[in-house]
Amino acid sequence: GQNIDQPTEMTATEGAIVQINCTYQTSGFNGLFWYQQHAGEAPTFLSYNVLDGLEEKGRFSSFLSRSKGYSYLLLKELQMKDSASYLCAVAGVDSGYSTLTFGKGTMLLVSP
Amino acid sequence: GAGVSQSPRYKVAKRGQDVALRCDPISGHVSLFWYQQALGQGPEFLTYFQNEAQLDKSGLPSDRFFAERPEGSVSTLKIQRTQQEDSAVYLCASSLGTDEAFFGQGTRLTVV
Repeated sequence: GQNIDQPTEMTATEGAIVQINCTYQTSGFNGLFWYQQHAGEAPTFLSYNVLDGLEEKGRFSSFLSRSKGYSYLLLKELQMKDSASYLCAVAGVDSGYSTLTFGKGTMLLVSP
Repeated sequence: GAGVSQSPRYKVAKRGQDVALRCDPISGHVSLFWYQQALGQGPEFLTYFQNEAQLDKSGLPSDRFFAERPEGSVSTLKIQRTQQEDSAVYLCASSLGTDEAFFGQGTRLTVV
């Protein structure tokens, strides 16, 4: 089975940098995803890591350490529109087939 | 279609009523997932299909929940004798395998 932990909520100021951590325990590993979900909307894809290291995409970066079962999402130059829930999801293999398991999400509130 | 489509977007059901929620995945996507998302929580896994085969239904909360995908494309999640605790957003996602999952807008079910 899979177990994913991330903080429930975080607050930050416009223009600042915030790091959202995710730890996981999984059987099999086929990559880790970060999704952004605004209230009342579907989750949207942000990033995918399957190898160790940092993936940068504009203001957002995602890091993975497979040996530590750890990832983080780094958001730079925060904007008010970044206020949303950020979901960590792990692709694993369970009983011979692929699974995608989500954490409970981290609610980020960006204030002026 | 271009994305995952779910219908209806909103459903109000009286307690005890049966409901059926529909998901049209992206054409060609083998994997289909159903999630239940309570207010302020991350998506909770309900069930998983690989083509028409339901490989995992361990997340279905009770035997009142039933899902099918008879031809390996459209899927229906049925809830019998709805209860107030069934009120949530039901998300459908599809993917080619263990890669990025694309989510529908969800169906918000309110049981009164």
